[in-house]
Amino acid sequence: QKEVEQDPGPLSVPEGAIVSLNCTYSNSAFQYFMWYRQYSRKGPELLMYTYSSGNKEDGRFTAQVDKSSKYISLFIRDSQPSDSATYLCAMTRNDYKLSFGAGTTVTVRA
Amino acid sequence: SAVISQKPSRDICQRGTSLTIQCQVDSQVTMMFWYRQQPGQSLTLIATANQGSEATYESGFVIDKFPISRPNLTFSTLTVSNMSPEDSSIYLCSVQPRESKNIQYFGAGTRLSVL
Repeated sequence: QKEVEQDPGPLSVPEGAIVSLNCTYSNSAFQYFMWYRQYSRKGPELLMYTYSSGNKEDGRFTAQVDKSSKYISLFIRDSQPSDSATYLCAMTRNDYKLSFGAGTTVTVRA
Repeated sequence: SAVISQKPSRDICQRGTSLTIQCQVDSQVTMMFWYRQQPGQSLTLIATANQGSEATYESGFVIDKFPISRPNLTFSTLTVSNMSPEDSSIYLCSVQPRESKNIQYFGAGTRLSVL
């Protein structure tokens, strides 16, 4: 079993829709949770960073962490074609070793 | 966030040759990392580049195949040695900012194809 499982996608949604991305994990020691966005032929870009359980909002993006269920989500409201990218979840205990999901590719149709 | 320059952005190489990838960051950082990203798979950490000492390799990766240099706090190189088609992948450099040991910023990556 992989340490981090991410919904494989791909997802295709119309412009303006809400995009929901999810990851589950098995290591209860994870405390820090991140979402990266990766455009084609680019490196991963840090999008959201949260510590422990709860919600964090940044503009159209909301990250949720439920440590009791070992489940994290990223929501994108009012999605735009520019949101078309691969989204990677990542997490760590409290050190430099990040564990990544395999990524979900999202296409927002104009 | 740190600005990371990675070179080359892509290359096509012949089997048996070696390629050195460079990573330059615009500020001093303690920790630099090298990852491999294969299609449809998650990022895999190859090694941690330590300034002033040997790199720390993850399970499945060895120094003879992936020698790493870290001459100062802003620069590192990864060499992919004696390449085979199985080495075709994206190689990414990342850095950990001094203000947070749980975040990493990534370069744009090097797309390597081995024929």
